[in-house]
Amino acid sequence: DAGITQSPRHKVTETGTPVTLRCHQTENHRYMYWYRQDPGHGLRLIHYSYGVKDTDKGEVSDGYSVSRSKTEDFLLTLESATSSQTSVYFCAISERGQGDGYTFGSGTRLTVV
Amino acid sequence: GESVGLHLPTLSVQEGDNSIINCAYSNSASDYFIWYKQESGKGPQFIIDIRSNMDKRQGQRVTVLLNKTVKHLSLQIAATQPGDSAVYFCAEKSGQGGKLIFGQGTELSVKP
Repeated sequence: DAGITQSPRHKVTETGTPVTLRCHQTENHRYMYWYRQDPGHGLRLIHYSYGVKDTDKGEVSDGYSVSRSKTEDFLLTLESATSSQTSVYFCAISERGQGDGYTFGSGTRLTVV
Repeated sequence: GESVGLHLPTLSVQEGDNSIINCAYSNSASDYFIWYKQESGKGPQFIIDIRSNMDKRQGQRVTVLLNKTVKHLSLQIAATQPGDSAVYFCAEKSGQGGKLIFGQGTELSVKP
C-alpha cells in the first residue's frame, strides 16, 4: 500500500528467539498501530503509538513490545517468540487517530516453529 | 501481501446482483463505524464510514446503514462485480481516542 511498508514480508523463526517487525511510513502520520489477524479472531490491536516515544497497549499486548524513535518507523518486537504468536501482522497508520481512514500495510506472515 | 484463512461466513452472489453484508456490533456507546475490504494477500482497505448521528450514508456503489436500536450495521453493494470478491469487516469505535474494534468478517464471493 502506498505510503506504508512492512518488513519482512515473511519470517520463520524458532521458539524462544526474539523477532522484530518493522513498519515504515512516508505519510508523516502521527498515529501508528500494530494488529494481528488470526482465524476466529479477526484483527486485534497489539500496541499503538500516538507520537514519537509515545506508545500504549492494545487488547493483546502480552509478549510484545514496541518502539517509535522517529515518526516514520514503528517497530514490533516479540521478546521470546512462542507458537501462539504465529500470525499475520498488520501495521496501520492514521492522521487523526480517530479511526478515520486507517491505512494498512500488506502484512507480515510470521511462523514460529 | 499476506492473507489468512479466516473460516468466515460466506455470502455468494451473482454478478450484477446487489449484496448485503451484515454486522452486529457490541458496544452501545460506539459512535463511529467503518467498513473495510480485504482482498486476498492484502491489508484491509477503507470503504466507507458512518457516525452514530446518522443512519445512512452512501458512497460510490456502496451504502452503509446503521440501526443503533439493535446495534446493527449493514453494507450494501450495488451491481456486485467480480472485483468485489473479498472479505469485508466492520469496525466500531467509541469516544475520542477510542480504538477500532473489528468484527470477524464476511467473505463475499461473486459468481460471473
